[in-house]
Amino acid sequence: GAVVSQHPSWVICKSGTSVKIECRSLDFQATTMFWYRQFPKQSLMLMATSNEGSKATYEQGVEKDKFLINHASLTLSTLTVTSAHPEDSSFYICSATGSGTGELFFGEGSRLTVL
Amino acid sequence: AQSVTQLDSQVPVFEEAPVELRCNYSSSVSVYLFWYVQYPNQGLQLLLKYLSGSTLVKGINGFEAEFNKSQTSFHLRKPSVHISDTAEYFCAVRLLYSGAGSYQLTFGKGTKLSVIP
Repeated sequence: GAVVSQHPSWVICKSGTSVKIECRSLDFQATTMFWYRQFPKQSLMLMATSNEGSKATYEQGVEKDKFLINHASLTLSTLTVTSAHPEDSSFYICSATGSGTGELFFGEGSRLTVL
Repeated sequence: AQSVTQLDSQVPVFEEAPVELRCNYSSSVSVYLFWYVQYPNQGLQLLLKYLSGSTLVKGINGFEAEFNKSQTSFHLRKPSVHISDTAEYFCAVRLLYSGAGSYQLTFGKGTKLSVIP
């Protein structure tokens, strides 16, 4: 199947700094990418949907200015957690789909720990 | 709005025993159904999916699931589990319509399968 890669897989940062997580589709063009957040022992919560070249659509309750999403190319989307705080510590997962694939492919996830 | 219910948060089972992980969904329109597996600190891997056709769907690693429209269920089964099946399993639905966001998935809360040697 298609491959979606996230980087970094682990990141530790100080409170107040910003962290960028990359999501890449390695062997297909991802027209739509989704960003999820997963709290310990819980399900995935959709944060936002991004289509290449368009502004991301955020789910209710997700702060747009805190979680900046950029989908500038068909193979790359980035999630930037701005001014991170300990409560932002979580497992962030992206998924991607290309036109006509009918299937979502998930990245390996990125664990963010804010000290 | 659609929703997914996984009644069992944890399922312990002995190695080589059969297992069933339950999933029920609610939706006012037709849906596609999926089962994903998540190993610790990893993303999700698709086990199987129901889009149309035969209601019995076979997936990877010996898993299968049966779509029951009248009971709005999509239970996951394996006749004989292995230690390596220990993981978190998520049921998900996707609405059957086109347009932006049509690939959006709604997940259940997950079932942690623990295989006991």
